Amino acid sequence: DTGVSQDPRHKITKRGQNVTFRCDPISEHNRLYWYRQTLGQGPEFLTYFQNEAQLEKSRLLSDRFSAERPKGSFSTLEIQRTEQGDSAMYLCASSPGPGAHGYTFGSGTRLTVV
Amino acid sequence: GQSLEQPSEVTAVEGAIVQINCTYQTSGFYGLSWYQQHDGGAPTFLSYNALDGLEETGRFSSFLSRSDSYGYLLLQELQMKDSASYFCAVRNTGFQKLVFGTGTRLLVSP
Repeated sequence: DTGVSQDPRHKITKRGQNVTFRCDPISEHNRLYWYRQTLGQGPEFLTYFQNEAQLEKSRLLSDRFSAERPKGSFSTLEIQRTEQGDSAMYLCASSPGPGAHGYTFGSGTRLTVV
Repeated sequence: GQSLEQPSEVTAVEGAIVQINCTYQTSGFYGLSWYQQHDGGAPTFLSYNALDGLEETGRFSSFLSRSDSYGYLLLQELQMKDSASYFCAVRNTGFQKLVFGTGTRLLVSP
């Protein structure tokens, strides 16, 4: 068990470009969550998966954002046509199931849109 | 929806005790959690309260009063390494996801 891994750790992109982030959860965890965090704020929910099924997507998430978890293992988060307002830390977390008390977070991907 | 309120910053000295409060408004409540996050690091799970009362884990304790929609995190014997941000989070209806507060920055000085 190596914890939750996220790649890349940092990404700088030009406005209008597409970016994709990867998250590898703890192997036996079937719940996977994506959060976004800006400086001085708490993590803000984006979406989550139960195995390969995406069960909820935040209403704050525009159509430019899409997430997948094709085989119920790793997940990807893609942002199309990035905007400066997308600059944030993107955090992935996993948990064993819906009743688990705690999430295990990855170290995040810091996105800077210039 | 859900909303959580925490003080933005708390300062204390090494060896002291500090309490970080959290009040919440939520439709459907299934527990209050606390997370610690050092600058540049990942949030780390500290504690969880589903029922009223105090839960103790080493130097950290967490309290919940469901009737008051209120909880707190108590940190004893403060150490410099406790300087971090602390977030309360509520689980919404049906165990679907955690909603986090804006966080409290704790600064521990010598």
